This record gives sequence, C-alpha cells and structure tokens, in this order.
Amino acid sequence: NAGVTQTPKFQVLKTGQSMTLQCAQDMNHEYMSWYRQDPGMGLRLIHYSVGAGITDQGEVPNGYNVSRSTTEDFPLRLLSAAPSQTSVYFCASSGRGFGNQPQHFGDGTRLSIL
Amino acid sequence: QQQVKQSPQSLIVQKGGIPIINCAYENTAFDYFPWYQQFPGKGPALLIAIRPDVSEKKEGRFTISFNKSAKQFSLHIMDSQPGDSATYFCAASTRGGSEKLVFGKGTKLTVNP
Repeated sequence: NAGVTQTPKFQVLKTGQSMTLQCAQDMNHEYMSWYRQDPGMGLRLIHYSVGAGITDQGEVPNGYNVSRSTTEDFPLRLLSAAPSQTSVYFCASSGRGFGNQPQHFGDGTRLSIL
Repeated sequence: QQQVKQSPQSLIVQKGGIPIINCAYENTAFDYFPWYQQFPGKGPALLIAIRPDVSEKKEGRFTISFNKSAKQFSLHIMDSQPGDSATYFCAASTRGGSEKLVFGKGTKLTVNP
C-alpha cells in the first residue's frame, strides 16, 4: 500500500504563478485534508473534504482552492502564488468510522515562492 | 487564537530519561487528542491518542496523561532512546472531526546517547 502520495516533493515558483499540488490515497478513505506547516507554527488546516464533491474551508484557506471529484484524489491549487505561501504542505486522509479515525499523512510538498 | 498550546518548544534529555511534553486546550467540544511524531523530511505519524473518558493511556514506552478538569494533557516517553529524537505535536478535534485536527506548535525532542 502506498498510503498517501503527494507530488511534487519540491517546487519553486515565482510570485504570481499558479500551480496544483497533487494528493492521492489508496486506502478508500472518505476524509481528506490539506495542512501547511511553517516553522514554529505547527500544522494549520487549509481545506478539507468529507467525501467526493464535498469540500470546506479550514483555518487558513485564502489563496487556495480545492475540489474533490473522486474519493482517491484531493488536489490543492494555488491561484496566484505569494511569498507568504512558502511552506511545507501536507495532505492527510482518514476513514469514516465510529468515533475518530487516525489521519494518515503524506511526506509533504516543499514549496518556495520567490 | 491558538486553541492548543504546547510546551516546551524544545527539549534535550539523556538516553534513558523521561521527557514530558505538555498541552492545554480551550475548546470543551474537543473530544479526541492524538499525538503525532515527525522525523525530518517526513509527514507526521500517529503515535498515540486518547479520549477524555480515560485519564491515562499507555502504548509501549509512550504514555498520555489526561486531566479533563484542567483541560490539559501530556506525553511521557519512558526510557527515551536516541531514535526518539523527533518533533512531537499534540492535536485535538471534536467527535467525528478527524479531518479537522487543531495542532499545537510542536516540541523538538533531542535524546543524547
């Protein structure tokens, strides 16, 4: 099992460019989330999804867009990259079940905006 | 507004020591408290989790203590090893809200040989 796969692992962008961070999971999980990790800030929730066709905003959604057309994929789009979006981005997934199910994280995409 | 406060930011112990990491939360609707371990260049991985209906949970060398009235919980690592050197995050979510974890800022643990 690959688990949660994120691509690319590294990316450098110029201010104003757009790009899509890919996330795929092979565990048939209903729930998927995007977090950003900045030094000394922990992980902060950007957007999340509770199933195909259903998405919602997290704590820091501005400048990002998501969609969920399939159970497996949950891409994150940067509409017009800004230096403040330089960060490490993590995708996570969890199953639906009684109570809380553990979130499984990918290994991240390290993004630099110049 | 920081919903989960974690301390200390960094911690250095000798091999065999018992590092303790503390977290406090404000939202009484939180119902699930996981701890994640993260190694450099990797994503966080679930270490252990607790619900507020128990005061302690132990898995191997890792123990969570939970104080519901004080809204605090802590991670203890018994007989710590150099391989435990990592960043540890506490987190919280509401019941059934696994997809919306609120994280503490993290503690970088170094275990010296």
